Amino acid sequence: GQQLNQSPQSMFIQEGEDVSMNCTSSSIFNTWLWYKQDPGEGPVLLIALYKAGELTSNGRLTAQFGTTRKDSFLNISASIPSDVGIYFCAGPRTGANNLFFGTGTRLTVIP
Amino acid sequence: DGGITQSPKYLFRKEGQNVTLSCEQNLNHDAMYWYRQDPGQGLRLIYYSQIVNDFQKGDIAEGYSVSREKKESFPLTVTSAQKNPTAFYLCASSPTRLAGYYNEQFFGPGTRLTVL
Repeated sequence: GQQLNQSPQSMFIQEGEDVSMNCTSSSIFNTWLWYKQDPGEGPVLLIALYKAGELTSNGRLTAQFGTTRKDSFLNISASIPSDVGIYFCAGPRTGANNLFFGTGTRLTVIP
Repeated sequence: DGGITQSPKYLFRKEGQNVTLSCEQNLNHDAMYWYRQDPGQGLRLIYYSQIVNDFQKGDIAEGYSVSREKKESFPLTVTSAQKNPTAFYLCASSPTRLAGYYNEQFFGPGTRLTVL
């Protein structure tokens, strides 16, 4: 079945540092979504990618749709304390109108 | 304001009791979803519904039941058959899928269920 692996599982960084995380799939996706979940809340969509090679930014966040269509990357520049949370990648399931979520990357920003 | 509401935020139940989690949306979305979240395991799909009066099992439907009698509401019942019901439960909704795009899912704030 489809699997989405995210790495790293967790990160501890100093405020102001840049962050990189990635998501790899066992199968090809035609859409990649990146969500952020604040502690105790529901996930919120950060960036959606619809085309292989696409690079999209949302403020300090930049995400890329890998050219193999089996991976995606999320970068956060100049991290701040409110970046703390869990970042999930997600992609549509084959033949179904719902999403498959990765296991998440937990980010901690040290002031 | 438009959005998804889940109530209550925290719920405690004794083992062996059924419990129903509420999910309401006023976004006029056709599709609704229920996920379960455990530490380190991401979001796992329990049930989803594309239209009123229709729903499908997700990856971990055993021990759960749902209904979709109204477009705005998609309640989840955690039955006594669910072996490990303690978890964080998230409801989501999305608009009708457009050709060539996947519409984002909007999530509610979640309900943390603890079974004692």
